[in-house]
Amino acid sequence: NAGVTQTPKFRILKIGQSMTLQCAQDMNHNYMYWYRQDPGMGLKLIYYSVGAGITDKGEVPNGYNVSRSTTEDFPLRLELAAPSQTSVYFCASSQDYGQVPYEQYFGPGTRLTVT
Amino acid sequence: AQKITQTQPGMFVQEKEAVTLDCTYDTSDPSYGLFWYKQPSSGEMIFLIYQGSYDQQNATEGRYSLNFQKARKSANLVISASQLGDSAMYFCAILSGSARQLTFGSGTQLTVLP
Repeated sequence: NAGVTQTPKFRILKIGQSMTLQCAQDMNHNYMYWYRQDPGMGLKLIYYSVGAGITDKGEVPNGYNVSRSTTEDFPLRLELAAPSQTSVYFCASSQDYGQVPYEQYFGPGTRLTVT
Repeated sequence: AQKITQTQPGMFVQEKEAVTLDCTYDTSDPSYGLFWYKQPSSGEMIFLIYQGSYDQQNATEGRYSLNFQKARKSANLVISASQLGDSAMYFCAILSGSARQLTFGSGTQLTVLP
């Protein structure tokens, strides 16, 4: 199993450009998440999805959009990139069969710089 | 809303000694889970240990144990017999809500000294 994969690993964007961060998982998990981690800080939730076709905002959704057309994929779209979006982005997934510990499996992260 | 507080930005420990990383939390949910993750300098998030709010016993995983004091709303991580490879950032997180969302603390940078 590949687990949670993210592409690209690194990206430099100019202010105002747009891009999509890709996330895929092969564990058939129904929950998927996008977090951002600013330098020296913990992770903050951007968007999440509890299943295909269902998404909702997290703590810091402004400037981002998501879609979930399949169970496997959960892309994050950045429109009109701003320097404040310079961060490391983590995708995660988890399953809820009513079992604990609902562990979230994290991808390796995408390091994004906006200049 | 959930909140995690980690009051130790940095900690130092001598190799082979034990160290405790502090974590306090706040939530109004009766059912929740507490996690500790390790983030080495390479950047990946590594799951260490979990404690459920209804678990009667403290969780243990190898050299990691979680000192869970529900009344004090604390979930401290204890690392026994520290190793140089334990040097990393450690995050405490709480999971609650119907979407099983994680809320993270700001982290503690642990440095193990030889």
